[in-house]
Amino acid sequence: EIVMTQSPATLSVSPGERATLSCRASQSVRSYLAWYQQKPGQAPRLLIYGASTRATGIPARFSGSGSGTEFTLTISSLQSEDFAVYFCHQYNNWHTFGQGTKLEIK
Amino acid sequence: EVQLVQSGAEVKKPGESLRISCQCSGYSFTSYWINWVRQMPGKGPELMGRIDPSESYSHYSPAFEGHVTFSADKSINTAYLQWSSLKASDIGIYYCARNSQAYGSGRDSFDYWGQGTLVIVSS
Repeated sequence: EIVMTQSPATLSVSPGERATLSCRASQSVRSYLAWYQQKPGQAPRLLIYGASTRATGIPARFSGSGSGTEFTLTISSLQSEDFAVYFCHQYNNWHTFGQGTKLEIK
Repeated sequence: EVQLVQSGAEVKKPGESLRISCQCSGYSFTSYWINWVRQMPGKGPELMGRIDPSESYSHYSPAFEGHVTFSADKSINTAYLQWSSLKASDIGIYYCARNSQAYGSGRDSFDYWGQGTLVIVSS
């Protein structure tokens, strides 16, 4: 099973600043990597697929990069609605998810 | 508008059976695989498996195979997740989620999700 490790577990950032979230795979997943946002009591929302393609309706301040085993989700200028938990998801070899990064207001 | 609407929360005893549902609308139900995902409190999601609604072909994660059953009713655009004998460890929120691309691909993200069904199993 491919293990997805996200860091940090919690990230404190001020509104308007940039947030950088990391996801590492235990073996290469090529570019079969997605990012989701989850708010309390809600289902995950697809942000990025194919490591770097924004899903429909996702603002341009969200961007994804990386391939192989190292991936990054960047939120360029944090809005109040962006504070949530973010998960990465590899779908190259079956499907596994990271444990999440909680993005909180500093 | 694509929507996946799940059945409500359930409280059951160990050993009881349960079926939860995921009613899909706004798209061609038989064109997209439906995935079932478990999320335990404070944890990342886990894929339980998926079903191709056009043929009701299912593929289970080894961790769940033999303990749950997926099914689909094309006449009412609804997918189901079923347990014949619940365990206390089955507690969690269960989501149905649609593959992002039509016509089946194991390598796919999940673009639409149901709102989740909370399952509590306690004696």
